[in-house]
Amino acid sequence: DAKTTQPPSMDCAEGRAANLPCNHSTISGNEYVYWYRQIHSQGPQYIIHGLKNNETNEMASLIITEDRKSSTLILPHATLRDTAVYYCIVRVVSAGTALIFGKGTTLSVSS
Amino acid sequence: SAVISQKPSRDICQRGTSLTIQCQVDSQVTMMFWYRQQPGQSLTLIATANQGSEATYESGFVIDKFPISRPNLTFSTLTVSNMSPEDSSIYLCSAGPNTGELFFGEGSRLTVL
Repeated sequence: DAKTTQPPSMDCAEGRAANLPCNHSTISGNEYVYWYRQIHSQGPQYIIHGLKNNETNEMASLIITEDRKSSTLILPHATLRDTAVYYCIVRVVSAGTALIFGKGTTLSVSS
Repeated sequence: SAVISQKPSRDICQRGTSLTIQCQVDSQVTMMFWYRQQPGQSLTLIATANQGSEATYESGFVIDKFPISRPNLTFSTLTVSNMSPEDSSIYLCSAGPNTGELFFGEGSRLTVL
């Protein structure tokens, strides 16, 4: 079973920041937080991952709380093309394990 | 990043037949996985494709129904055997190094009549 909890849906206005929350209260010390998204009819796309420090790349920022029990994915300036299902996943990287997907959050960006 | 190609991208098959889906990665990778995505649902892990040995299946999936091969570090196949309409899904291949991010193909959309 997925070890994360996400809201089923969120709305965001184009150009505004989209903040997607994720709860992973049972995360272990060796588990990373991964974010993927799936745009309709496409394969999942990697966005970002982190262990305990905040991370930023060209797509998004990942903010992980100090106790690591929750995180937030931030899309700084959402566009219509960011409409997708966003998945938050915890994974033990060192064991080479697969990604276990939950139901994710459907983000709808509108103009 | 790894580029993953799947064939076929879509197919329509008759009940009782079998279909083999191919997954080709543009670089050598340690890990390869197969997923199923039923209509309107999230992804479900079918199995880990192990190079040179039998695949490791998740609960609810068996080798007779979903035989998997992985002859080398860049290629794997998934066969959906004796298909029924309930097998209509998108089948996705995922691959990557032992650590770091995993990448996905665009999926193979299967419709069984």
